[in-house]
Amino acid sequence: QQQVKQSPQSLIVQKGGISIINCAYENTAFDYFPWYQQFPGKGPALLIAIRPDVSEKKEGRFTISFNKSAKQFSLHIMDSQPGDSATYFCAASKSNYKLTFGKGTLLTVNP
Amino acid sequence: GAGVSQSPSNKVTEKGKDVELRCDPISGHTALYWYRQRLGQGLEFLIYFQGNSAPDKSGLPSDRFSAERTGESVSTLTIQRTQQEDSAVYLCASSHDRDQPQHFGDGTRLSIL
Repeated sequence: QQQVKQSPQSLIVQKGGISIINCAYENTAFDYFPWYQQFPGKGPALLIAIRPDVSEKKEGRFTISFNKSAKQFSLHIMDSQPGDSATYFCAASKSNYKLTFGKGTLLTVNP
Repeated sequence: GAGVSQSPSNKVTEKGKDVELRCDPISGHTALYWYRQRLGQGLEFLIYFQGNSAPDKSGLPSDRFSAERTGESVSTLTIQRTQQEDSAVYLCASSHDRDQPQHFGDGTRLSIL
């Protein structure tokens, strides 16, 4: 049973464009929704996280939008750069414990 | 300060052999987690330590998998009688406490021949 569904599987964006990755979850007990960035051969690095008491959180070029009623959340990368090319994972958990991950999105930003 | 350190970075072994994977968490982090990442997949939770006790082992896939932690420091994940389906990247994460952000190591890439 896949509790966090992530789409798209891969995404190609031109430099300066907006990258959008979507996730949907099933477990209504989840209350912590982080996004991780992973470069080849490296471990995932926490980018940004949100809790369901807010609908949006912005940190620099990265924004999480959260829709509690639809049980969906998304990552928006503004002004995408070639250095943003990586695999992005959404995750969900109850109280940031035992993270359940999506399958990942391979983002390629063309120069 | 050092991040989460895992060793070895790569391990190739024959089917049926036992392997031990090591994780050195960030100093002072009481919570430690092991995850498995199969090729092209997201991470799967394996086990959670708080201090040296493991209140949640629910993700361990079989009794061939075990883990221990010494105090609030090093943890080892042991896989006995390895099978080809055990091939994956094994990632360790630590956090200051259970509700704090998890910081990941770079993983051990395990290949079973």
